[in-house]
Amino acid sequence: AQKITQTQPGMFVQEKEAVTLDCTYDTSDPSYGLFWYKQPSSGEMIFLIYQGSYDQQNATEGRYSLNFQKARKSANLVISASQLGDSAMYFCAMREITKNDMRFGAGTRLTVKP
Amino acid sequence: DAGVIQSPRHEVTEMGQEVTLRCKPISGHDYLFWYRQTMMRGLELLIYFNNNVPIDDSGMPEDRFSAKMPNASFSTLKIQPSEPRDSAVYFCASSWAPFSGKNTGELFFGEGSRLTVL
Repeated sequence: AQKITQTQPGMFVQEKEAVTLDCTYDTSDPSYGLFWYKQPSSGEMIFLIYQGSYDQQNATEGRYSLNFQKARKSANLVISASQLGDSAMYFCAMREITKNDMRFGAGTRLTVKP
Repeated sequence: DAGVIQSPRHEVTEMGQEVTLRCKPISGHDYLFWYRQTMMRGLELLIYFNNNVPIDDSGMPEDRFSAKMPNASFSTLKIQPSEPRDSAVYFCASSWAPFSGKNTGELFFGEGSRLTVL
């Protein structure tokens, strides 16, 4: 069964605007971590932000924030003030305490338009 | 500090040949992962190790694939014999044990090995 779901294959956003990339997950573990990675066209995987299942506050890292809604099992990535360099694939991932592996969603390709 | 180092960066081979991909994880990391990325199937977890011991290899597609981690600083992914459908980017990643102290458990990725099987 798919544990990480990203329903938006592609998204467009105007430069300087904010954009939300959706991610839902499925787990019965009490403890888990949620991660977002960016993969530009050059191919490297860049870690962006982390949210722990017990964290009370939503994670933020510069222009990135994670809208964590535990009851709904969603962990959406919000990018504020989009820049042309934000154009890339974005992957949501989860790591559960019982298995310690990391599973990725299918990804969302974000295009920032000037 | 050196990151995760993968070699070769690019490999072009003919069907039936043996392919060996190599990975040097970040020193001190407890976990090592091998992923395969294709357009059709996305990022697939092939196998991961904890303290050099394979934990889950259920993602390895066939017996043609094998992975080893003889010590904490080296791992290999071998495909024998290779087939055109094995063409993909293969990523190695490493991490500390998650859920311990302030460690988030994020994975540190290598730059990937792009394999083309003709």
